Amino acid sequence: QSALTQPASVSGSPGQSITISCTGTSSDVGGYNYVSWYQQHPGKAPKLVIYDVSKRPSGVSNRFSGSKSGNTASLSIAGLQAEDEATYYCTAYSSSSPWVFGGGTTLTVL
Amino acid sequence: EAQLVESGGGLVQPGRSLRLSCAASGFIFDDKAMHWVRLAPGKGLEWVSGISSNSGTTGYADSVKGRFTISRDNAKNSLYLQMNSLRVEDTAVYYCANSPLTTVVRGYFHHWGQGTLVTVSS
Repeated sequence: QSALTQPASVSGSPGQSITISCTGTSSDVGGYNYVSWYQQHPGKAPKLVIYDVSKRPSGVSNRFSGSKSGNTASLSIAGLQAEDEATYYCTAYSSSSPWVFGGGTTLTVL
Repeated sequence: EAQLVESGGGLVQPGRSLRLSCAASGFIFDDKAMHWVRLAPGKGLEWVSGISSNSGTTGYADSVKGRFTISRDNAKNSLYLQMNSLRVEDTAVYYCANSPLTTVVRGYFHHWGQGTLVTVSS
């Protein structure tokens, strides 16, 4: 069982928006602003899409955004495109680990 | 642009050892902390180990503590993971990743290599 809880799957149609949640505790997600999100296509390396809760790396589409409320972080993707279909992982700095990951969410673009 | 290339994976019997390497280029290696993260079949990503830029601080997941040792050679722009007493549950693709910071704690996993597959089986 992963330390951070993510839904196993989400889906949306092209052009729609989706949100993926990532729930932890006050020792990780809620305690620090070191939440990041990664996109992984099958057989490929993970790619950073959001860091420090809501910052977007250079080159990542502005359709990707991040936020946090209490012990839950969220990744939102607007204007879904076929290329967004992938597995998304959240991770957070933890006072006990020091890094914990979510179990991953498979995004299906219908 | 940052590039990370892992090597050293393969098929190994339970209880044996393996050493992974990660060759770095395109960034100032001795200014960044480095990490190993793995993806086991049918499971999610798991942080394995991290090392600060000057090797002064290391950290390990509980699942590998006492069996794995992380190290780096800044003169060779290389990161290593010595894996001893391997178990079937260590089977995974192992990725190296760099941090934007010098420290193991805080930050994020910025650039990733393509990974190297480790299979532990008799």
